Amino acid sequence: DTAVSQTPKYLVTQMGNDKSIKCEQNLGHDTMYWYKQDSKKFLKIMFSYNNKELIINETVPNRFSPKSPDKAHLNLHINSLELGDSAVYFCASSKGGRASEQYFGPGTRLTVT
Amino acid sequence: GEDVEQSLFLSVREGDSSVINCTYTDSSSTYLYWYKQEPGAGLQLLTYIFSNMDMKQDQRLTVLLNKKDKHLSLRIADTQTGDSAIYFCAEREGTGRRALTFGSGTRLQVQP
Repeated sequence: DTAVSQTPKYLVTQMGNDKSIKCEQNLGHDTMYWYKQDSKKFLKIMFSYNNKELIINETVPNRFSPKSPDKAHLNLHINSLELGDSAVYFCASSKGGRASEQYFGPGTRLTVT
Repeated sequence: GEDVEQSLFLSVREGDSSVINCTYTDSSSTYLYWYKQEPGAGLQLLTYIFSNMDMKQDQRLTVLLNKKDKHLSLRIADTQTGDSAIYFCAEREGTGRRALTFGSGTRLQVQP
């Protein structure tokens, strides 16, 4: 029944490692997003895909690479992790249309040591 | 660019009304949203309002929009301890970009 799911929920890793976070939505939406929430709870858009096509790519280091194998999945791969990458990463999805309510996943708390 | 601002903290007593305020700068905003985030959880969409509306009511929630002043508020009637959370205001710009710009969030503390 979960609408937007993310794995893993928690991720603890060392600097320099490469890691991936996965996101899946079963709502039939055509647009998916990655947001980053920092320690002060500030949320900022990172990427957005519409029908597997990248439509938003904010000023994010190129160590971050999103991949959308199909409309229901959007994964985030991070190379050479740094301390400053520690945050909660939220996946979201929305259906095309005027309101475009976005539904969020539970978040992945990434801690880089 | 877009900017969305909220006060950081609000404390109310159980049973009182809570009013959380938000200001935004993007005059092309089409939709404005309120999300709720409980500790350790994701964001839950509470309600949204289209920019040509002044008010929207949904059970205990009332959203007021003053487009001239670019001011949005969320009123929670009969606030309960379960309403304690961080409330985020967000706007969606009118240019077709679907991403949301969020405020910093208002932490609502409800005291019994």
